[in-house]
Amino acid sequence: EIVLTQSPGTLSLSPGERATLSCRASQRVTSSYLVWYQQKPGQAPRFLIYSADRRAAGIPDRFSGSGSGTDFTLTISRLEPEDFAVYYCQHYDDSRYIFGQGTKLEI
Amino acid sequence: QVQLQESGPGLVKPSQTLSLTCTVSGGSISSGTYSWSWIRQPAGKGLEWIGRIFGNGAANYNASLSGRVTMSVDTSKNQFSLTLTSVTAADTAVYYCTRGDNSAWHNYWGQGTLVTVSS
Repeated sequence: EIVLTQSPGTLSLSPGERATLSCRASQRVTSSYLVWYQQKPGQAPRFLIYSADRRAAGIPDRFSGSGSGTDFTLTISRLEPEDFAVYYCQHYDDSRYIFGQGTKLEI
Repeated sequence: QVQLQESGPGLVKPSQTLSLTCTVSGGSISSGTYSWSWIRQPAGKGLEWIGRIFGNGAANYNASLSGRVTMSVDTSKNQFSLTLTSVTAADTAVYYCTRGDNSAWHNYWGQGTLVTVSS
């Protein structure tokens, strides 16, 4: 079974800085099925990126995704105060959804 | 705009059955190839997919919960449901229902409902 490992566990940055979050798969995965979500405290996750590098509707262009094979990255080019949250990657395979453990982005 | 709303008991006793319903508005549960899932999140922890169902009733479940999970769909009420049997404290979590416009992801999420397993 594929395992997704996100790093770092916690990332401490300031508004205006660039954030780089990593999601590593235990084996090669299909980029088309690599997804990112954002979750703020007390809220449901928000759909951010799909197919590794495509922004979902309404997502600001400061969010971008990249990667292939086993290594994927979510980049936030210039952090806004509302971007501080937990980010999860997810992969779909064989009719199952697998989530990474999350990266907390904090001020 | 699609909206999903979870409903059900917030407290379930150990060994009993957890039952939740997700009511969908803004779109038909039986249209297209949408997938309808349940995902849960224990307090302070990550996301765990429980299972999914399509409008035609076809379902897939997380193998780690196999034998305890059943999902169903009621197209007349535009709802889908989750049943989880023999619950323990480990099943205490916020439960989310979701819709996927593509089988690979979850575009829309309900606000979540907290279910506590305790005597």
